[in-house]
Amino acid sequence: EVQLEESGGGLVQPGGSLRLSCAASGFTFGSYWMHWVRQAQGQGLVWVARINHDGRTINYADSVKGRFTISRDNAKNTLDLQMNSLRVDDTAVYYCVRVLYNSGSFDYWGRGTLVTVSS
Amino acid sequence: QSALTQPASLSGSPGQSITISCTGTSSDVGGHNYVSWYQQHPGTVPKLMVYDVTNRPSGVSTRFSGSKSGNTASLTIFGLQADDEADYYCSSYTSSGTWVFGGGTKLTVL
Repeated sequence: EVQLEESGGGLVQPGGSLRLSCAASGFTFGSYWMHWVRQAQGQGLVWVARINHDGRTINYADSVKGRFTISRDNAKNTLDLQMNSLRVDDTAVYYCVRVLYNSGSFDYWGRGTLVTVSS
Repeated sequence: QSALTQPASLSGSPGQSITISCTGTSSDVGGHNYVSWYQQHPGTVPKLMVYDVTNRPSGVSTRFSGSKSGNTASLTIFGLQADDEADYYCSSYTSSGTWVFGGGTKLTVL
């Protein structure tokens, strides 16, 4: 069974940093592209970043470029998101998401981890 | 990276069919076939309903159908059921190598 479990969320002050992690199991992690998607309370889904299977191709949403860094460790089956210079509008539930093989869609989602940026 | 445009809300009666539109540009919806649709019930994670414009994942009802014409993709739900009441989001790959979601459509089954 495919499982994605995020951790690392919490309360942080504006300008602070946080590192999210996603532990993957139930599939060959190193074969899949992975993404982070976020959703503020009562709001829609927003794409954040993606990393290809071997970590060599990475893209970010303009809103997080230069502040967030996505990475992966295929030996440990983990996906990370380092978030620096956090802003109030970064407050959201962050989902770790797997890409359906040979597709541009997201077939498995973690339960999400809540990041709250507030003073 | 502007969000794709979806109607904020739609409603229909049980048994009816409804279509949710998702309008983008030639750099996203119109230029690629990586358009997908997600259903999200309150308090749950999104569920993939249609991928690559027209394909349904295993287990998704045949009542859900995807299509695309130009810069607009559509999700049609045939024979509305009470459990179809949810938020629906479209998503597309873009020419910049990024992804973009629609703003979401709240579907109410009357």
